Amino acid sequence: AQSVTQLDSQVPVFEEAPVELRCNYSSSVSVYLFWYVQYPNQGLQLLLKYLSGSTLVKGINGFEAEFNKSQTSFHLRKPSVHISDTAEYFCAVSDRRDDKIIFGKGTRLHILP
Amino acid sequence: GAGVSQSPRYKVTKRGQDVTLRCDPISSHATLYWYQQALGQGPEFLTYFNYEAQPDKSGLPSDRFSAERPEGSISTLTIQRTEQRDSAMYRCASSRIAGGANIETQYFGPGTRLLVL
Repeated sequence: AQSVTQLDSQVPVFEEAPVELRCNYSSSVSVYLFWYVQYPNQGLQLLLKYLSGSTLVKGINGFEAEFNKSQTSFHLRKPSVHISDTAEYFCAVSDRRDDKIIFGKGTRLHILP
Repeated sequence: GAGVSQSPRYKVTKRGQDVTLRCDPISSHATLYWYQQALGQGPEFLTYFNYEAQPDKSGLPSDRFSAERPEGSISTLTIQRTEQRDSAMYRCASSRIAGGANIETQYFGPGTRLLVL
């Protein structure tokens, strides 16, 4: 069975500073990996996904994530955050044989002025 | 429609009552998912449909929970004899086709926040 660990429940970052949100997963089979974002009072929105190919995946709003198979990680990064990036970010994994998506507990990104 | 919609957006009910939540997926989307999200947690899978078929009910926490999608479009999630621990956000998502080798993006609705008193 797959599982997802987001070690940081909250990450405060100054505006225009870089940020990395950590995600580690465990699975015995090949997986698809996702990052979802939930802005305040809104629904979940797909930020980016890794299916295959290049391990560096670019998403919306300037975010990118790198799949590292040896470290079973899929950390999310942005070189310069903006106040509008304030949101909760969820890492997720899906077994390639299944339709289920397993979510992490989320990381709340606080942008400090 | 333009996106996934859910109703009601908020529901407050007394313990022991039955509630039914509704999800309208993106039209023509074959697959529909239900997730439960407790406060401070990520969404947890409950069940999903491929059209009207329900291949996986493994996430439903008890037999008080049931879901239907009789015509392969709109779906309902019913919780019978609600308990306080059922209080959560219930999220619906749809995707154009089933996952597998060519997994499709799941588009989420705004959710229904259920509070059981």
